[in-house]
Amino acid sequence: DQQVKQNSPSLSVQEGRISILNCDYTNSMFDYFLWYKKYPAEGPTFLISISSIKDKNEDGRFTVFLNKSAKHLSLHIVPSQPGDSAVYFCAATRLVGSQGNLIFGKGTKLSVKP
Amino acid sequence: GAGVSQTPSNKVTEKGKYVELRCDPISGHTALYWYRQSLGQGPEFLIYFQGTGAADDSGLPNDRFFAVRPEGSVSTLKIQRTERGDSAVYLCASSLRDRLLGDEQFFGPGTRLTVL
Repeated sequence: DQQVKQNSPSLSVQEGRISILNCDYTNSMFDYFLWYKKYPAEGPTFLISISSIKDKNEDGRFTVFLNKSAKHLSLHIVPSQPGDSAVYFCAATRLVGSQGNLIFGKGTKLSVKP
Repeated sequence: GAGVSQTPSNKVTEKGKYVELRCDPISGHTALYWYRQSLGQGPEFLIYFQGTGAADDSGLPNDRFFAVRPEGSVSTLKIQRTERGDSAVYLCASSLRDRLLGDEQFFGPGTRLTVL
């Protein structure tokens, strides 16, 4: 049973437009969420995170939104650049009362076309 | 470099052999995690160390898998009697595990294990 789901395996966006990557989770005990970017033959690179006490976190072109009632989060990239082309993983964990190991979705491959 | 390093980057072995995979975490990070990523999947948790001790090994698939971190820094993942199904990318991550300074996990480049 997948606790973190990324239902879109791929997404294609034009350079300069907004990219929206979505993630759903089932475990209401999760209290910390992260997005990672992964290039081929490299390890995942941390992008941005959000605590469950917030509903938005912004870092430059990247913004993560959290809707706890819907158990849904999304990553917005504005404006999208060709260098953003990678696989994006959503991850969730429970920091309080847990070891903090991450539960990952299967990833969404983003292609940003020039 | 200041990041997490893993060696070897690639390992090809034969079914039934023993392998060791090494992880060198970011200096000062007390928490260390091992994950395994199969093709088309996200990374899956294997084991977590806080300092020298394995605080959670619930993700290890069976008793052929074992990991150590004797001095609280470098960790070695050991796989006995390898099987073809063990083929995957093995990722190591480290973290400060500090609510104020940061809980983010930083990953190494991984070791691609192929069992023939």
